Amino acid sequence: DSGVTQTPKHLITATGQRVTLRCSPRSGDLSVYWYQQSLDQGLQFLIQYYNGEERAKGNILERFSAQQFPDLHSELNLSSLELGDSALYFCASSLPGQTSTDTQYFGPGTRLTVL
Amino acid sequence: ILNVEQSPQSLHVQEGDSTNFTCSFPSSNFYALHWYRWETAKSPEALFVMTLNGDEKKKGRISATLNTKEGYSYLYIKGSQPEDSATYLCAWGNTDKLIFGTGTRLQVFP
Repeated sequence: DSGVTQTPKHLITATGQRVTLRCSPRSGDLSVYWYQQSLDQGLQFLIQYYNGEERAKGNILERFSAQQFPDLHSELNLSSLELGDSALYFCASSLPGQTSTDTQYFGPGTRLTVL
Repeated sequence: ILNVEQSPQSLHVQEGDSTNFTCSFPSSNFYALHWYRWETAKSPEALFVMTLNGDEKKKGRISATLNTKEGYSYLYIKGSQPEDSATYLCAWGNTDKLIFGTGTRLQVFP
């Protein structure tokens, strides 16, 4: 158990809908990262928040947004969902430091299925 | 395009065999190389973070080496056990993100 929690575990929804994925980092970690794992693709970095502020952005679609709240939990909002958004979404957290060298601790993931 | 490549894509070995796989990454702007182990239905778990050329890390029967000049890292598993069956991911640490490879899926048969 990494100490990172994610809810829900599974989510099934329809195209055009909007969903919110939630992540609570390990105690003491200030950075939260969101990743997308699609079939046959590696973990794709979406976005990082550090202590409430956006720190780095990856290949995140405009239909997706995220935020980190004062209690450091984070939410990833996915809107106007398409079939291709079906994937496993991971959240990870790390201690404050340098993103490139910090160990990231991954949550159990949320499997999103868009029908 | 910043690419991290892992080979082989998958590997089947017998219990007791030793094995190794490769991670290739851009040699410029290198900050760190991470190895993760990802078991089915679980989340990726950190194995090593390596930052210096020539770094070698070891954890039990698993070890890793790093060559930043030529842009590769090897992961070795000595005397593979069925519980080593997992996908092994490497990630190249850029200035502000980790770029992951697609992983090597290892299956160890008893």
